[in-house]
Amino acid sequence: NAGVTQTPKFRILKIGQSMTLQCAQDMNHNYMYWYRQDPGMGLKLIYYSVGAGITDKGEVPNGYNVSRSTTEDFPLRLELAAPSQTSVYFCASSDGQQATNEKLFFGSGTQLSVL
Amino acid sequence: AQKVTQAQTEISVVEKEDVTLDCVYETRDTTYYLFWYKQPPSGELVFLIRRNSFDEQNEISGRYSWNFQKSTSSFNFTITASQVVDSAVYFCALSEARGTYKYIFGTGTRLKVLA
Repeated sequence: NAGVTQTPKFRILKIGQSMTLQCAQDMNHNYMYWYRQDPGMGLKLIYYSVGAGITDKGEVPNGYNVSRSTTEDFPLRLELAAPSQTSVYFCASSDGQQATNEKLFFGSGTQLSVL
Repeated sequence: AQKVTQAQTEISVVEKEDVTLDCVYETRDTTYYLFWYKQPPSGELVFLIRRNSFDEQNEISGRYSWNFQKSTSSFNFTITASQVVDSAVYFCALSEARGTYKYIFGTGTRLKVLA
């Protein structure tokens, strides 16, 4: 009964370093999302995917890349970390069945600091 | 464009008081979905309720109730007899039935319930 699993929970990066935030879901959901949460700013959509092999930009995609090679996994890549990317990152998934009871299931979040 | 506004940044109440969290939304669609999520101090995002645009019935779940009014584009959340465990950040969100399945979140309201 894992749901959406994010790793790592915490990470400190130096400016210019790269890293990948991992996200996996075991609910066979087609739709997956990456959000970032900055203090007082709510959640901003970075990228989303409507199925394996299909990704699209959200509101704040600059500085990030994603891939979706399988239904289960949706990693988020930071290529050249910058202090502006210090945030809490949430991965989420949904079944896409809007007409029924669709909602977002969230992972527990990754606290990322870029120093 | 779709937008969700939570004008109350932070609310403090004394335990057992009733409190209402406001949510105002903007959308061009006639079919859409509204949500409330709770983010306790532990950081995870917990789904509270989903409401379809064609269902204006108010809903009550224990001490929680939701008032959906299309005429004023509002989806307000009331906690009756608040408890310390209700202390959290509450997010309102909107999803349009346009096939993009993107969710737009408000900036959140931090509720502090004092013993």
